[in-house]
Amino acid sequence: QVQLQESGPGLVKPSETLSLTCTVSGGSISTYYWSWIRQPPGKGLEWIGYIYSSGGTNYNPSLKSRVTISLVDTSKNQFSLKMTSVTAADTAVYYCAREAHTGKIGSLAFDIWGQGTLVTVSS
Amino acid sequence: DIQMTQSPPSLSASVGDRVTITCRASQSISSYLNWYQQRPGKAPKLLIYAASTLQSGVPSRFSGSGSGTDFTLTISSLQPEDFATYCCQQTYNTPRTFGQGTKVEIK
Repeated sequence: QVQLQESGPGLVKPSETLSLTCTVSGGSISTYYWSWIRQPPGKGLEWIGYIYSSGGTNYNPSLKSRVTISLVDTSKNQFSLKMTSVTAADTAVYYCAREAHTGKIGSLAFDIWGQGTLVTVSS
Repeated sequence: DIQMTQSPPSLSASVGDRVTITCRASQSISSYLNWYQQRPGKAPKLLIYAASTLQSGVPSRFSGSGSGTDFTLTISSLQPEDFATYCCQQTYNTPRTFGQGTKVEIK
């Protein structure tokens, strides 16, 4: 059974860089899209971007200038998120999630999620 | 970006009630629409994909319909464990976008 686990600092200072890692256990990182999604307190979900198992990436244009998603170590099944120049508006629960083809032509869905990690931006 | 608009933002219902939540896309997304359930403090859980297909393990009281721009999620008989927030999400293109959620509360 595939499981995802986010890890990283829970507190980041304004203007600094937020760094998180997602570890995939119970399965391979191959042939899927791996996303980061965030949820500010009391608000809706915002997709940050994904990395495909081959290393190709796609980012939300609203965050693209500040975000990098990378494969950390394919043998360890890990990928990461870096977000630069953070402000209080970046305070949120950050989730990593697997986006998989559902079997319906062209259809994809976030079928597996990590438990999420709260990142607070504050001095 | 494709904007996803859900209604209502919240609703109160009783156990056994039939509940319907709607989701409207700002442009046609064919059937590339998923529904998620999120309980407080938990990650979202996939309920329905491709507008109407039930994810494995999801109770049959959940159903989805629609195509193009208008979609609905129906819970045929609300159970205590169904009190949660539900959101829609499009996979027609990137950036992936979500509705703001509908909170289902106990009446």
